[in-house]
Amino acid sequence: DGGITQSPKYLFRKEGQNVTLSCEQNLNHDAMYWYRQDPGQGLRLIYYSQIVNDFQKGDIAEGYSVSREKKESFPLTVTSAQKNPTAFYLCAVFGDLGNTIYFGEGSWLTVV
Amino acid sequence: AQTVTQSQPEMSVQEAETVTLSCTYDTSESDYYLFWYKQPPSRQMILVIRQEAYKQQNATENRFSVNFQKAAKSFSLKISDSQLGDAAMYFCVLDSNYQLIWGAGTKLIIKP
Repeated sequence: DGGITQSPKYLFRKEGQNVTLSCEQNLNHDAMYWYRQDPGQGLRLIYYSQIVNDFQKGDIAEGYSVSREKKESFPLTVTSAQKNPTAFYLCAVFGDLGNTIYFGEGSWLTVV
Repeated sequence: AQTVTQSQPEMSVQEAETVTLSCTYDTSESDYYLFWYKQPPSRQMILVIRQEAYKQQNATENRFSVNFQKAAKSFSLKISDSQLGDAAMYFCVLDSNYQLIWGAGTKLIIKP
C-alpha cells in the first residue's frame, strides 16, 4: 500500500532541546517537502529535496535542518535555535509536474 | 517571483447555494498546473480539482468546477449545492517547474 508515514503525530519539546520529525514514503518519488502551518494560516515551506543527498532551503529554514540520505526518508530536525516552533508540520511527496501531491497526516509540535 | 494570491480570507454561504473562491497567480512558466486543495479541521489535505495550463477547457469534478482564465492568470473555484461537509480551508496551489506555490487560504463557512 503506497503512501507517506509521518510521525509522531504529537510531540512536545522542552526549551533548548532538538526534536526530529520523521517522514517516510514508498511512492518512489524524488521530491519531498516540509511545510509549517500556524493556526489559521497557509503552508510555509521549510526545506525541500528533489534528489537524494541534495536539499534546498525554503522560505523559513532558520532553526531547522534536514537530511536526505535515502530516497524514502526526509527527516526534519527542529533545533533549539528555532525560537517559536509550536506549529503543525506537514510532509509532502511530489511526483512529476502536475501529479498529485501526497501528504502525511501531519505532526503537532508544542513547546513545554 | 511566482506568487499565488487568495484575496478572500473567509467566505460564507448558505447550505445548497453556490459560492466562488478567488485565486490569482503569477508565473513566467508556460507549462504549469493549478490545484485547489481542501483542508478540513482534521488538517488532512484533500485534492479538490486540478487544471493543466495548456488545456483551455475548465476542469470539473462533480459539484466543483473552475473558471480558468489563463491570460488574466485567474483560477477561481465554484462550489455548487454547498454541503456542510464542504466547510474547510481551501488553498489554491501553483505547480510550476517543480516548485509548489501556495496561496494563504480561504476559510469557507457553510450556514445550515
